[in-house]
Amino acid sequence: EVQLVESGGGLVKPGQSLTLSCSASGFTFENYVMNWIRQAPGKGLEWVGIVLDKGSGGRIEYAASVKGRFTISRDDSKSIAYLQMTSLRTDDTAIYYCTGGDSSSKVGFWGQGTLVTVSS
Amino acid sequence: DVVMTQSPLSLPVTLGQPASISCRSSQSVVWRDGNAYLNWFQQRPGQSPRRLIYKASKRDSGVPDRFSGSGSGTDFTLKISRVEAEDVGVYYCMQGTYWPPITFGQGTRLEIK
Repeated sequence: EVQLVESGGGLVKPGQSLTLSCSASGFTFENYVMNWIRQAPGKGLEWVGIVLDKGSGGRIEYAASVKGRFTISRDDSKSIAYLQMTSLRTDDTAIYYCTGGDSSSKVGFWGQGTLVTVSS
Repeated sequence: DVVMTQSPLSLPVTLGQPASISCRSSQSVVWRDGNAYLNWFQQRPGQSPRRLIYKASKRDSGVPDRFSGSGSGTDFTLKISRVEAEDVGVYYCMQGTYWPPITFGQGTRLEIK
């Protein structure tokens, strides 16, 4: 069974940092594209960033709203994707979802999400 | 950026009746290989999103056949042939053809009348 489990969310103050992890199982992690997608309370889905699989070049891209503050990485040996978040702002408050997909459709299956709250 | 516009944003439907959601892109999302990398997702209340349709018209495994996707170019549609109570939730379209960024529609909230 395909499974993605996010962890690391919590309450932080503006300007602080947080790192989210996404542990994968049930599929060949190294062959899949991984995305981070967030959803602010009561709002729609916002793409945060992507890391391609090595076979597709391992390229990493970010949404303009997080570029320079967030860093995505992956450890294929552990089947884990990461989202390092720095200089957090109140408008970064959201549920953060990890998703996996093939190189064409990009987004297929989702984790349960982890809540990040940025508040003073 | 490719802007995805869904309509309607709210969709009250009687049980057993059909439903249709439109998704329009600000430019064609057909790639040079001829595929439109257009996905549809369902998000039930309190749950993570779940993909229903990929490549505009291909149904994911386990998705009931009352769900269907169609369209090409800039106009796409998700249809539910007969709405059931479990279909309540928010539906999103997403394009992954021209990225970054990957972009989503605003969401369409389906409710039972």
